[in-house]
Formats: sequence, C-alpha cells, structure tokens
Amino acid sequence: SQQGEEDPQALSIQEGENATMNCSYKTSINNLQWYRQNSGRGLVHLILIRSNEREKHSGRLRVTLDTSKKSSSLLITASRAADTASYFCATDRDQGGKLIFGQGTELSVKP
Amino acid sequence: EAGVVQSPRYKIIEKKQPVAFWCNPISGHNTLYWYLQNLGQGPELLIRYENEEAVDDSQLPKDRFSAERLKGVDSTLKIQPAELGDSAVYLCASSLGLAGEETQYFGPGTRLLVL
Repeated sequence: SQQGEEDPQALSIQEGENATMNCSYKTSINNLQWYRQNSGRGLVHLILIRSNEREKHSGRLRVTLDTSKKSSSLLITASRAADTASYFCATDRDQGGKLIFGQGTELSVKP
Repeated sequence: EAGVVQSPRYKIIEKKQPVAFWCNPISGHNTLYWYLQNLGQGPELLIRYENEEAVDDSQLPKDRFSAERLKGVDSTLKIQPAELGDSAVYLCASSLGLAGEETQYFGPGTRLLVL
C-alpha cells in the first residue's frame, strides 16, 4: 500500500521554468523525503524535511511541509533538461524505518 | 566511496524457475532494505534488516520469497518459484541506521522479467 499521493502524475515544462510537485499523505510522520529517479536507474535522495520543519532549501530545490494538511511540495527553480526524471515523495513514520513512497511525478523539461 | 552494489542488473527467466538477487550495501551501513518497484509506481518495502536481523518482513510473500543477510553485510533475495507477476525492478537500499541519519541510499536495481 502506498501512503503518498502525488500531483500531478506528469508535468512537462520548458527549460528555465519552475516545476512544482505536490505530495499528500495519510498518517502522522517523523520526516518526509524526496527522491529522484532517472529512467532505468536507482533512486537518488534529494532532501529530507522533518515534521517540525516547514521549509527547507537545497540549491535549486525548495521543499515545504504542512503537517496540518498532511501535504508537501517540491519546487525546482530554473529547471534544466537534466532535471527530467521521476520524482517521488516518501514518508517515514518511525525515524529510519519503513519509507512509504508515492506513485511519483514524471517531469519532462524540454530544452 | 562506493555506493550500493546490486547484481545482476538484468535477469530473464521462465516462470517456475528460481532466481536470486545480491546486494552489497555501503560500508558501515547497518540497515539494509529490499524494495519492489512495479512499472509506473513507487518502491514498496519487502524487508528491512538491522544488521543481520530482519526487523520488518511483513510485506514479504513468504510462500515464495526469502531473504538473508549473513554477517550483517551482504544480502540475497530469492524467489522460488517465480511467477509472471514477479516481473519488476528489485531495489536494494542501505542507511546508517542512526537517529538523525534516515537517508536511504539506493542501488541501481535488478530488472526481472519472468516469461
């Protein structure tokens, strides 16, 4: 069973534009993580935000977390063709235990 | 530093045959995970090890799947016999297993096709 619901399922933008992906979940969490997966490859960790944090930045990535709404968003600014990938949110209820992934957002950045 | 290593990368077998996947985690990582990823879906946890102990195997179909992590380092995941529905990518991940260090590092996966 997958806890996360991601929106949109697919997103196509032009290089230089911003991309926003949303994630909603069902139960309380310890932290929420975002991962990227290029076609045919493993997942790469992008950013982790804890339940007591509201916003976090890493380079061109900005993640927000609203625990009252059980939702998170990932913003990629000034997108590049190399950002083309699937992006997954994953919730961790028990601090380093089981990650429950959403179904992902497929991002396509056109040059 | 080497990442998580998995082999083989690809495997094609006929249904009812056995198959095994191997994973070598990042050195020093106590926690090891096996995930199943179907096409177009996010990974789903099959089993989690803390050192050599399986601490969460609730999602592992125990009638045909088995796993081991001898000596708390390498791990193998086996399916016997394989069914058509087992076609998927099998991902291995590892983490330090410490509070505050929850990031999981994934291997490239083994893509299994059952014919």
